[in-house]
Amino acid sequence: AQSVTQLDSHVSVSEGTPVLLRCNYSSSYSPSLFWYVQHPNKGLQLLLKYTSAATLVKGINGFEAEFKKSETSFHLTKPSAHMSDAAEYFCVVSDGPLDTGRRALTFGSGTRLQVQP
Amino acid sequence: GAGVSQSPSNKVTEKGKDVELRCDPISGHTALYWYRQSLGQGLEFLIYFQGNSAPDKSGLPSDRFSAERTGGSVSTLTIQRTQQEDSAVYLCASSLVGLDTDTQYFGPGTRLTVL
Repeated sequence: AQSVTQLDSHVSVSEGTPVLLRCNYSSSYSPSLFWYVQHPNKGLQLLLKYTSAATLVKGINGFEAEFKKSETSFHLTKPSAHMSDAAEYFCVVSDGPLDTGRRALTFGSGTRLQVQP
Repeated sequence: GAGVSQSPSNKVTEKGKDVELRCDPISGHTALYWYRQSLGQGLEFLIYFQGNSAPDKSGLPSDRFSAERTGGSVSTLTIQRTQQEDSAVYLCASSLVGLDTDTQYFGPGTRLTVL
């Protein structure tokens, strides 16, 4: 079984300051981990993906995430927040047996990021 | 290239009516997923199609929900006798099968409101 916990439902930062969105997961298999972003009234956009090639993953718009197996964490960071980063962020784990085509996605409950001017 | 498209973008219906939601996946993607996102909730898996295999319907919440995929491309999600608790955003995603099976690309969603 797999699960995802996003530790903060809401994060508020000032423009130009660092962003940290926290995510912990559990997985029975070798998971893939993702961060998706959802702007108001928009669909989900893939920010970045971890698939075991490298523990530090760089994504779009200056975001990155570090996979820490010992801590079962996959926190999302950005050095300097921009107003356009205000959105809902979802941490996602893809699990399931590797010999099946479907890899079930389990979504966290989301973290709403506010960026203050 | 073109992404996943969904129609309609918004649907308002009366309780008890049937609705159909449409999804056009990315060309060449053989896997297709439907999810539901209720207010303040994460995404809930509904159903999965892969090629000609029998769909995985394990996430459908009741027998009022059904989906089909014609010709391995377009998919329709049907909700019969809609209830107010069906109000949500319904998201469709598609993916390749193979090296990048995990990465699902999402459409903009259909916002369903049941009055």
